[in-house]
Amino acid sequence: DTAVSQTPKYLVTQMGNDKSIKCEQNLGHDTMYWYKQDSKKFLKIMFSYNNKELIINETVPNRFSPKSPDKAHLNLHINSLELGDSAVYFCASSQEGTDYGYTFGSGTRLTVV
Amino acid sequence: ELKVEQNPLFLSMQEGKNYTIYCNYSTTSDRLYWYRQDPGKSLESLFVLLSNGAVKQEGRLMASLDTKARLSTLHITAAVHDLSATYFCAFPRSGGSNYKLTFGKGTLLTVNP
Repeated sequence: DTAVSQTPKYLVTQMGNDKSIKCEQNLGHDTMYWYKQDSKKFLKIMFSYNNKELIINETVPNRFSPKSPDKAHLNLHINSLELGDSAVYFCASSQEGTDYGYTFGSGTRLTVV
Repeated sequence: ELKVEQNPLFLSMQEGKNYTIYCNYSTTSDRLYWYRQDPGKSLESLFVLLSNGAVKQEGRLMASLDTKARLSTLHITAAVHDLSATYFCAFPRSGGSNYKLTFGKGTLLTVNP
């Protein structure tokens, strides 16, 4: 039973399209995150939600819009995709007040052509 | 500006040898995390270091934390091929909380026969 699951695993799309990535966690964690990993493997936080409330919104183009319908789900919608959006997007979750760090999903490799 | 510096970024070593990866960070933190990422895979939690002087060992890997020096080390003993992966250190921007982990750039470790 996967703890943090993301779909799809791979996404190839053309410039200008709109796409969504979904994330679900069954760990009962109260906080979820989106990270972007670029081609040099650098990981950068994009968004964080705690109990469905947006708590971190880094400097991310407003073409990226997260949505958290409940604390077990955090989706990422991207409008007007650009070549530079190509990356691996990781969802993660954690429980505030604990010391365990994050549990990561398996990642979504987005390729914009 | 918050900085996390890992070095080396690339490490090629022979099986059976020892080596240390260093992680320096620029702000006060009472905890630090180490993660492992295999090629094309997710990030797996290796160690959680929660206080100054903390030392944890798992197999051939040993991690330590010196909060006064703002330095963590990941020591590899008698490397084997299975340890080949990218290793990341990460620490939270908010002390005492695991919100918003900032990651180092990663150390790509290749262990050669």
